[in-house]
Amino acid sequence: GNSVTQMEGPVTLSEEAFLTINCTYTATGYPSLFWYVQYPGEGLQLLLKATKADDKGSNKGFEATYRKETTSFHLEKGSVQVSDSAVYFCALSWDKLVFGAGTILRVKS
Amino acid sequence: DTEVTQTPKHLVMGMTNKKSLKCEQHMGHRAMYWYKQKAKKPPELMFVYSYEKLSINESVPSRFSPECPNSSLLNLHLHALQPEDSALYLCASSGQSQAKNIQYFGAGTRLSVL
Repeated sequence: GNSVTQMEGPVTLSEEAFLTINCTYTATGYPSLFWYVQYPGEGLQLLLKATKADDKGSNKGFEATYRKETTSFHLEKGSVQVSDSAVYFCALSWDKLVFGAGTILRVKS
Repeated sequence: DTEVTQTPKHLVMGMTNKKSLKCEQHMGHRAMYWYKQKAKKPPELMFVYSYEKLSINESVPSRFSPECPNSSLLNLHLHALQPEDSALYLCASSGQSQAKNIQYFGAGTRLSVL
């Protein structure tokens, strides 16, 4: 079946550090890939998406590239801020939306 | 506008109570979803409505009863819940319940069952 694996957290970084959160997937077919973010006490917000191989999704300084050859969709940001502290979920969409376990990001000032 | 509105934001109920959660979207989306999210876990799919008809029920106990009165509204009726049902309940909508459609989530209702 379809599944998503993302790196365990929490990830703790200092402000302005480089961020990578790894995400790999297993899927039949050609799913769309997403990163959702959940700030404390809130619902999920779509951060970025990619619908086919080699697509790059980007938003608010975050980027992720759909890599079919490595079945990966790693999230990156060049310089994190305290306000980026949240839980990040990688997800794929085929017949249903399948989430990874989530990665907690903590950014210290 | 990609807003999905859920009410109430917080709900406390006893095990014998009957309550309802409400979800509304005005994006013209024809698929709507209920998810349950426990602390530090990803959302778990409960129900999917497509064109106002229930298309997926993920073996959810009958004490949860969904309803889709029209294409903009989705309700979740709760009755005789258990303490383990305490969680964040999220509603989402998408253009169609097919692959590759983006799901937009509401802020959720945080439910506590005493």
